[in-house]
Amino acid sequence: GESVGLHLPTLSVQEGDNSIINCAYSNSASDYFIWYKQESGKGPQFIIDIRSNMDKRQGQRVTVLLNKTVKHLSLQIAATQPGDSAVYFCAVSRPGTYKYIFGTGTRLKVLA
Amino acid sequence: EPEVTQTPSHQVTQMGQEVILRCVPISNHLYFYWYRQILGQKVEFLVSFYNNEISEKSEIFDDQFSVERPDGSNFTLKIRSTKLEDSAMYFCASGRAQETQYFGPGTRLLVL
Repeated sequence: GESVGLHLPTLSVQEGDNSIINCAYSNSASDYFIWYKQESGKGPQFIIDIRSNMDKRQGQRVTVLLNKTVKHLSLQIAATQPGDSAVYFCAVSRPGTYKYIFGTGTRLKVLA
Repeated sequence: EPEVTQTPSHQVTQMGQEVILRCVPISNHLYFYWYRQILGQKVEFLVSFYNNEISEKSEIFDDQFSVERPDGSNFTLKIRSTKLEDSAMYFCASGRAQETQYFGPGTRLLVL
């Protein structure tokens, strides 16, 4: 079946360093990709999205990279701050469906 | 900034009882969703709702589950006869278009 997976369950980075969180997906028909941040006890919070006709998109301190050839998605957070500590999920969808398929999540820990 | 809200935040129920989880989507959104997240696992799609009908549902969303939009603001998920394995965090989401989905804070359901 269709799957979305993240490479590392936990990522620890020093405050001020850049963070890179990765995600792999299985369905080459996927055309829309989203990164969510989930803090403890809260719902997923939208960070950034990208469509399959792009390979890079930048937001405030965040960049999403999409490599459709290897079906890989990454989230880069610049100058990581303590407030970035959370679980990060990628989610993918494809034409003809309303649902997102979520990855398992990477817990980002920011070390002071 | 408008947000999706959900009530209650926590619900404890006995196995076999009916529960209704409530959501107030963002007011100008047209697409509504329910997801669940069992502790420590992925966020899983349950159902999507558009134009007053279910547009898509997962295999999890069996006959025990139903959704309703009883008025112009609320969106509810009913579980007719709860099972132990229904214990999870339930997230409502809404979107103006078919893609970007904004999640509520969730209802933690515990079935004893």
